[in-house]
Amino acid sequence: QLQLQESGPGLVKPSETLSLTCTVSGGSIGSSGYYWGWIRQPPGMGLEWIGNIYYGGGTHYNPSLKSRVTTSVDTSKNQFSLKLSSVTASDTAVYYCARGLVAGNTGYYFDYWGQGTLVTVSS
Amino acid sequence: SYELTQPPSVSVSPGQTASITCSGDKLGNKYACWYQQKPGQSPVLVIHQDTKRPSGIPERFSGSNSGNTATLTISGTQAMDEADYYCQAWDSSTVVFGGGTKLTVL
Repeated sequence: QLQLQESGPGLVKPSETLSLTCTVSGGSIGSSGYYWGWIRQPPGMGLEWIGNIYYGGGTHYNPSLKSRVTTSVDTSKNQFSLKLSSVTASDTAVYYCARGLVAGNTGYYFDYWGQGTLVTVSS
Repeated sequence: SYELTQPPSVSVSPGQTASITCSGDKLGNKYACWYQQKPGQSPVLVIHQDTKRPSGIPERFSGSNSGNTATLTISGTQAMDEADYYCQAWDSSTVVFGGGTKLTVL
């Protein structure tokens, strides 16, 4: 059974960089056909996609966050990571990592999710 | 940018059928999927590729997608189905979520 676990600081100061890591167990992050994604959810609000990365390094980002987002994969540790720069209070959210699959040419979905980690931006 | 619109809330009586819609421009030309999220929990995929149920998802969950609207249908709704439901699609290599629908079973 595939499992994903987010880790990182729960508190980040405004203007600093939020850094999270997702550790994958029960499967290889280098498996062909799978993408690895980040999604966030501000308290009491809906889901917002942040971005996806393929183990080979290809990335796609939410246009509204693209200028501040960097993702990477470490296949030796079976981990992938998120960095979000210049954070403000509006970046306070539960951050989820998830495994994504492309379906044909017109579909994409996340089949496994981490438990999520709350990151609060505050001084 | 592509947008998906869901009703904020839907109510259903136990044992009845609940339908949650998701609207987007020519959504029927894309695959839609649906997630269930209960309070304090991570989202769970309940429908992918419009109509497919992942292993472990009850048969009472079904989906359809045509024209501009995808629909999640829950037949014989149970109290345990009370949750937030999100639709999601893929457009120009970006993932788009609907705003979510709170399903109340009363």
